[in-house]
Amino acid sequence: DGGITQSPKYLFRKEGQNVTLSCEQNLNHDAMYWYRQDPGQGLRLIYYSQIVNDFQKGDIAEGYSVSREKKESFPLTVTSAQKNPTAFYLCASSIGLAGLDEQFFGPGTRLTVL
Amino acid sequence: AQSVTQPDIHITVSEGASLELRCNYSYGATPYLFWYVQSPGQGLQLLLKYFSGDTLVQGIKGFEAEFKRSQSSFNLRKPSVHWSDAAEYFCAVRGGGADGLTFGKGTHLIIQP
Repeated sequence: DGGITQSPKYLFRKEGQNVTLSCEQNLNHDAMYWYRQDPGQGLRLIYYSQIVNDFQKGDIAEGYSVSREKKESFPLTVTSAQKNPTAFYLCASSIGLAGLDEQFFGPGTRLTVL
Repeated sequence: AQSVTQPDIHITVSEGASLELRCNYSYGATPYLFWYVQSPGQGLQLLLKYFSGDTLVQGIKGFEAEFKRSQSSFNLRKPSVHWSDAAEYFCAVRGGGADGLTFGKGTHLIIQP
């Protein structure tokens, strides 16, 4: 089955620790995205990548980092610099760069900072 | 920069009744418009999308949306809702660039029996 997988589903972190969220897709998509979702806030774009070894900041990139070493993988690191990291994180991918290309979403990772 | 407004945070509809969810966008040119649905704790599923052509767009699960340029709106409709339609609905806009989507804050749909 083709799709996007995110792991883990739930993640707990102590304050001051970095944590990495996994996102893998087997759809052969070029573009990948990370969004953050907070209750009543909709989704906000953190980072996106159009191609391997290239990525761009979104609207709320501060305190986050990404890498795109392989086409199918786009991990997100939540660093200790992110002041309010507790949220639901969603990864997405699209076949290409056109505005109308559908973004397919993974099931999400819920991060809680203790 | 583009923006999306979904004026209704919650909407309650009786099963079998019609539904309309409102969405207004702000963007300088013709936008790409999308409606997504999210079940609790899950990812998002695309219901429909619009860029050009016929202003009435048909989607999955019996949903449709109408683009009205003069009102900067892209409202989602369904003639008869089912209990399984209870979910969070997001309107989103994308500009011409290869960046991400800009989402509204969502409308939570509750279905009464």
